[in-house]
Amino acid sequence: DAGITQSPRHKVTETGTPVTLRCHQTENHRYMYWYRQDPGHGLRLIHYSYGVKDTDKGEVSDGYSVSRSKTEDFLLTLESATSSQTSVYFCAISDLRGGVGFFGPGTRLTVL
Amino acid sequence: DAKTTQPPSMDCAEGRAANLPCNHSTISGNEYVYWYRQIHSQGPQYIIHGLKNNETNEMASLIITEDRKSSTLILPHATLRDTAVYYCIVRVAENSGGGADGLTFGKGTHLIIQP
Repeated sequence: DAGITQSPRHKVTETGTPVTLRCHQTENHRYMYWYRQDPGHGLRLIHYSYGVKDTDKGEVSDGYSVSRSKTEDFLLTLESATSSQTSVYFCAISDLRGGVGFFGPGTRLTVL
Repeated sequence: DAKTTQPPSMDCAEGRAANLPCNHSTISGNEYVYWYRQIHSQGPQYIIHGLKNNETNEMASLIITEDRKSSTLILPHATLRDTAVYYCIVRVAENSGGGADGLTFGKGTHLIIQP
């Protein structure tokens, strides 16, 4: 399995609090992605990175920000969490800009 | 990226071949067909991809029709552990200059392997 971890794996927080999710890889892959998965919507891309300090928005980026200061770490921040951000968040990595990627185990976030 | 159509669910007996269809009638010449699966509560797992020739790896075979408008993922000897949601995704070629980054997942096919 590709070396990709996510932390925390589970988190419960309250509306209005900031939350940061971390994705860490040991594969030295250039591309990193954050997706969310909700019932009835499938997986949707939030943000992605194509290199250190190079990031761009995905399909559902409102309310989220990201940072990538090192190749191995990609952080997803919810500045002020809302109940609509309750979801399972998956990080993915890829060494080519294309369709072959490896996904992390996911983070289940609940915003009360 | 071209849109794909998959049946919402399928059953298959354990030990038999599971054949999962995907329709992608609007596929462009530079778009590949990718297959992923997601076992309950886990992250999606890459299975296989191809452009126009049939492909086989240790997990599955991919058969793409000559006109490239549809494809079939074949799991040759399905086991209970193959029960998962299978996603067919079409997108531009690896490391090409075109297309949006990331993958566009539809609803996929929920494959249930029956003992």
